[in-house]
Parts: sequence; structure tokens; C-alpha cells
Amino acid sequence: NAGVTQTPKFRVLKTGQSMTLLCAQDMNHEYMYWYRQDPGMGLRLIHYSVGEGTTAKGEVPDGYNVSRLKKQNFLLGLESAAPSQTSVYFCASTALLGATGELFFGEGSRLTVL
Amino acid sequence: AQSVSQHNHHVILSEAASLELGCNYSYGGTVNLFWYVQYPGQHLQLLLKYFSGDPLVKGIKGFEAEFIKSKFSFNLRKPSVQWSDTAEYFCAVNVQDYKLSFGAGTTVTVRA
Repeated sequence: NAGVTQTPKFRVLKTGQSMTLLCAQDMNHEYMYWYRQDPGMGLRLIHYSVGEGTTAKGEVPDGYNVSRLKKQNFLLGLESAAPSQTSVYFCASTALLGATGELFFGEGSRLTVL
Repeated sequence: AQSVSQHNHHVILSEAASLELGCNYSYGGTVNLFWYVQYPGQHLQLLLKYFSGDPLVKGIKGFEAEFIKSKFSFNLRKPSVQWSDTAEYFCAVNVQDYKLSFGAGTTVTVRA
């Protein structure tokens, strides 16, 4: 059982380049999330999805776009990367946050923007 | 919007010492509370959670946390730490919607 899988795990971009991070979960979870983790700031929610075909903004959505075309996948896109987007990105999923409370996290994707 | 405050940024302990990490949140309604742990090089995993009932909850690896509603706090404790407890610890709050808000995290270093 793979759980939550993120690809790629590492990426270096130049300012202005675009890229997509893929998150895949095999637990049939409804809810999926993208967080970024920065030193001293913890995890901040970028975007989230409460089901296939839906997305919503989190705390820090600017500069990112997302799509949830299939229930098991949640894509995070950077259209024009900036150095401020250098971070570690975590995807997470859960069946029902209020019921179980447990988010299942991927192993993270480390992105560096030069 | 609710916020989650973790007072200690970095805690350094010796093995067998006791650990207490503070967490406060700013929301007056019903909340669900969590502590997550991130061991070096690994992803976050759930340590323990509180939804209702006994305000003293026990989690994995000997950790426990106490919910004090009047103080809006959910402090994490462990009576005797081990070297393997070296990790970053995150407090998180869910106000019964779809989102989980995290604190800034506390890095715990346990010296052998």
C-alpha cells in the first residue's frame, strides 16, 4: 500500500519556469491538501480539495494553481516560479477530517528556484 | 482565522529528561486538536489527537497531551525522552471544517 506518493521528490527551477507537482493517493480519500513547509513557519496550506473536481484556496495560494480531475490525484502547478517559492511541498489526504483527524502525508517534494 | 502558537522553537534535552511543548490556539468554538511529529528525513505522522472526552490523551511512543479549554492550550508531554525522540513537533487545530492549521513547529534535539 503506497499511501500518498509525490513526484518529483527534488527539482531545481530557474525563475520564470513552470512545473507541476503530482500527488497520488491510493486510499480513496475525499480530501486532499497541498502544504508548503518553511523554516520557522511550519506548514502553510496552499490549496485543498474536498472532492473530485473541486478545489479551494488555503492560506498562501498566490502563484499556485491546482487541479483535481481524478479523485486519486491532486496536482500543484507553478506557472512562473519565483525564488520565494523555494520550499518543501507536502501533499496530504484524509477520508474525513472531522471524524478521524488524521492526515496522511507524502514524503515531500523539495523545490529550489534559482 | 484561527492561529496556532508554539512557544518553543528549539528545545535541547538530555536523554531521560522530561519534555513539555506548549501549544495555544486562538479560536473560541469547538476544536479538534492534534500533535504531529516529523522525524529527520521523514514525512509527518500523527502522534496523538483530541476530539472530546478525557482531556488527557495518550499517543504513541509514550507521549501524552492535555487539553485545557480555559487556557486554549494543548501541551505535549513525555516523562522521559530518548535519543530517538529527536524530531520536529507540530501542533495543529481543526475547527471542524475541511482544513487543519499548523503551528510553526518545535525542533527537539535529544542528546545521548
